[in-house]
Amino acid sequence: QVQLQESGPGLVKPSETLSLTCTVSGGSVSTNYWSWIRQPPGKGLEWIGYIYYSGSTNYNPSLKSRVTISADTSKNQFSLNLSSVTAADTAVYYCARHGGFGENFDYWGRGILVSVSS
Amino acid sequence: EVVLTQSPGTLSLSPGERATLSCRASQSVSGSYLAWYQQKPGQAPRLLIYDASNRASGVPDRFSGSGSGTDFTLTISRLEPEDFAVYYCQQYGSSPQFTFGPGTKVDLK
Repeated sequence: QVQLQESGPGLVKPSETLSLTCTVSGGSVSTNYWSWIRQPPGKGLEWIGYIYYSGSTNYNPSLKSRVTISADTSKNQFSLNLSSVTAADTAVYYCARHGGFGENFDYWGRGILVSVSS
Repeated sequence: EVVLTQSPGTLSLSPGERATLSCRASQSVSGSYLAWYQQKPGQAPRLLIYDASNRASGVPDRFSGSGSGTDFTLTISRLEPEDFAVYYCQQYGSSPQFTFGPGTKVDLK
């Protein structure tokens, strides 16, 4: 059974960089696509971007200038960096594995709430 | 960008009733790559249906999906108490590659 676990600071100051890590067990980041998805409190879901096992990435154009996703295969982890954050970036951040041919998300982490506040 | 619209926003039903949820896309969803997720408070979304009509592993057969092009439907044949939740549709295709609908809340009448 694939399990994902997000970790990182729950509070980030405005203008700083939000950094989160997703640790994968029961599966390998050296296969599949792996994404970050966020959900502001009380709102819907927004895809942030993915990394493929080859190292290639694809980001949501609305966030592309501020996002970097990377993977550490030796630790079976992948990470999210989101720079220049504002209060609008306050959300629950989920990591997820892509299912099928990469067109959906079949395994999700439990999510981590990150608040942006001074 | 493919914009997904879900209706109704809220569906108030009783256990045992049939639920019909709609997801409409602003342009045709390529390959019918349309998925449905269930989300309960404080939990991550759970994949229910993928590629418009295929049930994900472990999903009860009271959940079914249909549709193609721009119109898709999730049907819950007989609501169980654990089915009261928010349901999201999601498409895969043009940039951004993944977009979600705003959700339909199924609550207790």
